Formats: sequence, structure tokens, C-alpha cells
Amino acid sequence: EIVLTQSPGTLSLSPGEKASLSCRASQSVSGTYLTWYQQKPGQAPRLLIYAASSRATDIPDRFSGSGSGTDFTLTISRLEPEDFAVYYCQHYDRSTWTFGEGTKVEIK
Amino acid sequence: QVHLQESGPGLVNPSGTLSLTCAVSGGSVAGREWWNWVRQPPGKGLEWIGEIHHTGHINYNASLMGRVTISIDKSKNQISLTLNSVTAADTAVYYCARDYCSGDCAQLPIWYFDLWGRGTLVTVSS
Repeated sequence: EIVLTQSPGTLSLSPGEKASLSCRASQSVSGTYLTWYQQKPGQAPRLLIYAASSRATDIPDRFSGSGSGTDFTLTISRLEPEDFAVYYCQHYDRSTWTFGEGTKVEIK
Repeated sequence: QVHLQESGPGLVNPSGTLSLTCAVSGGSVAGREWWNWVRQPPGKGLEWIGEIHHTGHINYNASLMGRVTISIDKSKNQISLTLNSVTAADTAVYYCARDYCSGDCAQLPIWYFDLWGRGTLVTVSS
């Protein structure tokens, strides 16, 4: 069973700053099935990045994904007020979807 | 535009059965997509419950195996979730989500959850 570990648990930053969120898999995984979601309070998750680095429709280009093997990163180049939220990575392997525990990006 | 809407009782007794449906509008459940249930306990992260394809293929989270059943009703264009022997630990917001394939779905499919319902809170309590 693949475990996804996200770090840090909480990231305290100011608007305009750069955010780097990590998602580490317990074993090497295919980036084809590595996905990132954003969730705001009281809302359903929203698709951001799929296949590790492809932005979903209508996602601003300040969001980017990268990585391979066991280490994946979601980068927000310049934080906008609406970007403060919780971010989850997700992976699919052997008929099972797994989520990381999430990283909260909060206003410093 | 496809929309997903979860519905069901908001309160379930301990040891009872949780039953939810997800109505799909604006599209068909009988396409190439898979349909998922995901839950989120209050203040916690996301947990995948399982997925179903209209051809009858189903995958479940191993941690819930034996208690969970997901089904699909093509005539009603909806999917359903049943969870037996519930406890307080099953209290959560339950989401349905569409598992969409892009790229070459036959040879090298790229799957992700592109569409989510708003979710419905189910509390297990007497």
C-alpha cells in the first residue's frame, strides 16, 4: 500500500510569497496518476493539477506541479488571497486511490 | 454541464446502516468514467471509499471492505453508497466524485477526479 506524506502540515505565508508544498510517496509511483486538489472551508475539493504537472481547466498559471518517483511538489508562484486553503495530493495504484493528509496554507 | 448531488439521511444510529445516493445530471453514468465516494471527517483529511463503473467493475478501500457497498442505477442515472455497522468514526461529509479519463484512454489513460458533488454531512449518533 502506497502512503503519501505531505509536508509541511501548515505553511504560513503572506500574499505575494511563493509556496512550495511537498508530497512524498512511500515507494516510487507513476506521475501519470499523481493529482493535486485545493479545498476551501465548506467546499468540495477542486482539481488543480493532474498527471503531476498538467494544470486543470481554468487553473491560473501561478499553480504548477513537478516531480517524479517518490517526490512531487505543488508550487504557487505568488500567493493570492484566494489561494489560502488546504491542498491534497492523490495517487492511484492497483485499483486504490490514496490521499495525502493535506497541507494547510494560511495567511501569516 | 454535469452536476453531482448527494442526498440521504443526515443522522444515523450507531450500528445502523448509512445509505446515500448521488444523482448525476447533465450527463450519463454509463460513459467511460468511474464514479467514486470520498469522505471527510470533521476537521480531517480526505478518505477514498470506493469506485464503480457502469459495466459492474467495483473497487473498494480495503479498510472498509466488508462494510461498504457501492452500486449504480443506470435507469435513474445515480450511484449509491451503503455502509453497515456504522460508528461515530463514520461521521463525515460524504462526497461523490467523477473519475475522468483524459489522453489515450485505451492505451495510456490519465485518471483524476474532475467533478465533485457539494457533499452531505452524515452524523452517527443516538
